[in-house]
Amino acid sequence: SAVISQKPSRDICQRGTSLTIQCQVDSQVTMMFWYRQQPGQSLTLIATANQGSEATYESGFVIDKFPISRPNLTFSTLTVSNMSPEDSSIYLCSATEPGGGNTEAFFGQGTRLTVV
Amino acid sequence: DAKTTQPTSMDCAEGRAANLPCNHSTISGNEYVYWYRQIHSQGPQYIIHGLKNNETNEMASLIITEDRKSSTLILPHATLRDTAVYYCIEVGAGNNRKLIWGLGTSLAVNP
Repeated sequence: SAVISQKPSRDICQRGTSLTIQCQVDSQVTMMFWYRQQPGQSLTLIATANQGSEATYESGFVIDKFPISRPNLTFSTLTVSNMSPEDSSIYLCSATEPGGGNTEAFFGQGTRLTVV
Repeated sequence: DAKTTQPTSMDCAEGRAANLPCNHSTISGNEYVYWYRQIHSQGPQYIIHGLKNNETNEMASLIITEDRKSSTLILPHATLRDTAVYYCIEVGAGNNRKLIWGLGTSLAVNP
């Protein structure tokens, strides 16, 4: 199994500023994802972080607002740009292998972001 | 949108078995059924998954109906630490490993 570390675990930020969240996996993984979980809600996929190329964003999420980097097979960052109170959420990093559907996903503990 | 449906909430007495149902009536032949749980303020945790056969591991058992349209996650001896939101998710066999999350079942284990 993979262990995923996210930093920071929580932060309180001023509106209009940006926050970069780091995700470190303890082993090389093929696939990494970023999710958002708004208060009281389920997880929503933001994007797939592709190693060495631009991330693939889901409907409703754009690169200018959520730029993502993935320089290698163990690390990724998500930036929440020009924050507003509506961005207050838990942001989660996930990793898995293709495995033909037969491999589980692992998750970090999340970054709890509050925008004031 | 999520393709599975689960009861919004359930209660279970500590030490008893917790049986959490999930409907996945549109599941494809090559899609797995995965269960995750999320304890408050933590990231989701993998529990178990299966394709056609029933599965058991150290955490739980997964019972999949013969027609594969529904399944039940069984926690044989629930403890207070099993209080969490439990999610049932269909995962395809292709390389697209995106997970589509529903609202899950909020399980409360009571003393």
